[in-house]
Amino acid sequence: GIQVEQSPPDLILQEGANSTLRCNFSDSVNNLQWFHQNPWGQLINLFYIPSGTKQNGRLSATTVATERYSLLYISSSQTTDSGVYFCAVEASSNTGKLIFGQGTTLQVKP
Amino acid sequence: ETGVTQSPTHLIKTRGQQVTLRCSSQSGHNTVSWYQQALGQGPQFIFQYYREEENGRGNFPPRFSGLQFPNYSSELNVNALELDDSALYLCASSLEFSVGEQYFGPGTRLTVT
Repeated sequence: GIQVEQSPPDLILQEGANSTLRCNFSDSVNNLQWFHQNPWGQLINLFYIPSGTKQNGRLSATTVATERYSLLYISSSQTTDSGVYFCAVEASSNTGKLIFGQGTTLQVKP
Repeated sequence: ETGVTQSPTHLIKTRGQQVTLRCSSQSGHNTVSWYQQALGQGPQFIFQYYREEENGRGNFPPRFSGLQFPNYSSELNVNALELDDSALYLCASSLEFSVGEQYFGPGTRLTVT
């Protein structure tokens, strides 16, 4: 089945710094989503981005489907950005099922 | 518009018991998927229900079963609980099978002792 790899696994930033999180996937996809998991376990939708570029405030994302990767950019990080960021994909060959990466744990220090 | 809701929030069960978790999909969504998230891991797909029929299943044994009701709400049932079933169980709904985003509920944290 499709493999999803996220990097880095852990990231520590000072407040105000910028960061880039990467998601590589091993096969063509219908769907790619980025999530932020808060301390209570809720997965918050950040982007639905099977291809192209989107921006939402300080966050933006780019997916290059032909090269099988996606990037999540966080600018001017805040302590509230801390948590685990997941990339999840739906393979073109297995629709409806989201496959998650292992996540990137981000800690933003004041 | 009401988001995805799950109940209960937390649950403690003993090994060998049975448990039922519930999920109400977002308004207008007819597809519900269930995921299991062990500590420190990404969520893993259990199965999906579309218009009351199972529509895809992950690598979980038959003691994990589910239902979807005419109002598109769903249940996850786990029989003969094992210690390794301790996890966060997440429900997600989407507008239509394999179309667009999946939206997640807050989860049910199950502890098996």
